[in-house]
Amino acid sequence: QITLKESGPTQLKSTQTLTLTCTFSGFSFDISGVGVGWIRQPPGKSLELLGIIYWDDVKRYSPPLNNRLAITRDSSKNQVVLTMANVAPVDTATYYCAHAEASGPSFLDVWGQGILVTVSS
Amino acid sequence: SYVVTQPPSVSVAPGETARLTCGGDNISSDSVHWYQQKPGRAPVLVIYFDTDRPSGIPERFSGSNSGNTATLTISRVEAGDEADYYCQLWDSGRDHQVFGPGTKVTVL
Repeated sequence: QITLKESGPTQLKSTQTLTLTCTFSGFSFDISGVGVGWIRQPPGKSLELLGIIYWDDVKRYSPPLNNRLAITRDSSKNQVVLTMANVAPVDTATYYCAHAEASGPSFLDVWGQGILVTVSS
Repeated sequence: SYVVTQPPSVSVAPGETARLTCGGDNISSDSVHWYQQKPGRAPVLVIYFDTDRPSGIPERFSGSNSGNTATLTISRVEAGDEADYYCQLWDSGRDHQVFGPGTKVTVL
């Protein structure tokens, strides 16, 4: 059974760096086609895919946020870390990590519970 | 950038069929995935690669993709189907995946 869980700060101030950790179980990056994605959802709004890291360490980022994001993994700890620099109140959202299948048009078949991050000015 | 459209809301009576659309230029050339999200919960994948259904998802959920419109069909709608539904597809212009704005399904 695949599970994922997000952890990290729930409150930040503008210009700070957000670091979130996704701890997963039930799969590994040894399997071709596997990835972990980060998605966010501002209150009352739609979903936004931030990026995905794949089994071969390829990373795909949202073009508008590419210069602020970094996704890394620690396979020994079954963790994936999202770093977002220079946050602002518009970055207030629930952040999810999810198990991704297939490269290219990946689908996200198992999601974490999400963590609400609030950014104040 | 690629423009994805979904109707903001759809209302349907129990037992009827709901058809949720996801529009985009030549969307049939992309693979579309669909997610269901209930209030306060994480999204759940209900359809992937246009028509495939994950294990555990009822057969009442089906998908299609043709021309400029992908469709999620929910047959014999139940009260528990009330949720927001999002489509996801590949924006080849930006080499990234995007979500539609979502459709809120209300069961009357």
